[in-house]
Amino acid sequence: AQSVSQHNHHVILSEAASLELGCNYSYGGTVNLFWYVQYPGQHLQLLLKYFSGDPLVKGIKGFEAEFIKSKFSFNLRKPSVQWSDTAEYFCAVNPILTGGGNKLTFGTGTQLKVEL
Amino acid sequence: DVKVTQSSRYLVKRTGEKVFLECVQDMDHENMFWYRQDPGLGLRLIYFSYDVKMKEKGDIPEGYSVSREKKERFSLILESASTNQTSMYLCASSSQARYNEQFFGPGTRLTVL
Repeated sequence: AQSVSQHNHHVILSEAASLELGCNYSYGGTVNLFWYVQYPGQHLQLLLKYFSGDPLVKGIKGFEAEFIKSKFSFNLRKPSVQWSDTAEYFCAVNPILTGGGNKLTFGTGTQLKVEL
Repeated sequence: DVKVTQSSRYLVKRTGEKVFLECVQDMDHENMFWYRQDPGLGLRLIYFSYDVKMKEKGDIPEGYSVSREKKERFSLILESASTNQTSMYLCASSSQARYNEQFFGPGTRLTVL
């Protein structure tokens, strides 16, 4: 079964610092990749997604992620974080399988706290 | 905007009770999902459904069942609630056209005493 690893469980940054959250997955075939964010007290929402094409994808609120196929990675980045970026971030992978049955596998999440 | 609603934000039940969690989506999505979210474990898929009356087991189906009688509604059933089912339960839906981009409801925080 495929797995998704998010190595940073808790990250604390000061405002304006740069952010990079790691995500690695284990599936060797074609994948769709996602980052979801959950702000305090809010529901999970899509931050950005990669289906195909340019491996550098841009999402909402200045976030971007780079798909590196050779490293099985899809790291999330933001050049300058804000206090409002405090949230939990989840990486998710959908392996493209023939015959249907596709579903998302989520990582364990990274709790980001941005301090003023 | 896609809207996924869940019947309760907070629920407290006793061990052995039968529990129903309801989820409704208003965007005519074919796919619907139930997850549980636990600290340090992320989201784990319990069951999903690609169509009315169809269901498939996810990664942790034990102790749960589901029902999908109408396209917009997907119910999660705990036949006999246990304390280890205390968790946050998230429902999601997606369209086949927007392949596997899932939209989530606000969640139900279930406590089993």
